[in-house]
Amino acid sequence: AQSVTQPDIHITVSEGASLELRCNYSYGATPYLFWYVQSPGQGLQLLLKYFSGDTLVQGIKGFEAEFKRSQSSFNLRKPSVHWSDAAEYFCAVGGTSGTYKYIFGTGTRLKVLA
Amino acid sequence: GAGVSQSPRYKVTKRGQDVTLRCDPISSHATLYWYQQALGQGPEFLTYFNYEAQPDKSGLPSDRFSAERPEGSISTLTIQRTEQRDSAMYRCASSQGGGETDTQYFGPGTRLTVL
Repeated sequence: AQSVTQPDIHITVSEGASLELRCNYSYGATPYLFWYVQSPGQGLQLLLKYFSGDTLVQGIKGFEAEFKRSQSSFNLRKPSVHWSDAAEYFCAVGGTSGTYKYIFGTGTRLKVLA
Repeated sequence: GAGVSQSPRYKVTKRGQDVTLRCDPISSHATLYWYQQALGQGPEFLTYFNYEAQPDKSGLPSDRFSAERPEGSISTLTIQRTEQRDSAMYRCASSQGGGETDTQYFGPGTRLTVL
């Protein structure tokens, strides 16, 4: 069965430091991959997505992610974190088994220290 | 509308009561999805609609859960005889078409608490 793993439940970084959030998926073919962010009281907002082509994708708010087929990973990165990036981040896989549903990871909660 | 809206934002109910949650998708969007997100978990798929058709309801946890979208726009999710384990955030999303690559846009969710 398809699955998504986000190994880090909580991550704390200092403002201005770099950030990498890990995401691993289990799926036989190349899936469609997404990163969403959930800020308090807000809905899930799409940061970026990967369907095919260039394995390094750029998203909003200065985020990027790299698809690595050999590692079944789609890690999210940001070179310099801002305090406003504190939120919960979800990796998701879509388009599996010919369905439209997304399979989400359990999320990584990011805390940013001033 | 400009985005996906859901109501109510918060709902507290007693065990055994029925609840109905509402989702108003982006107006041009054909496809609508419902997810359940338990505390500390990611959203889990419940069901989806393509206009008023409901091709997949495999994620509905029991026959107490039902959803409808009679006119292909607004959708409701009804939980009958609520149980404490139904306490969760219920999220609605919509996408423009029904393709696998269509981005799903999420609403703010309804936080359901069953006492």
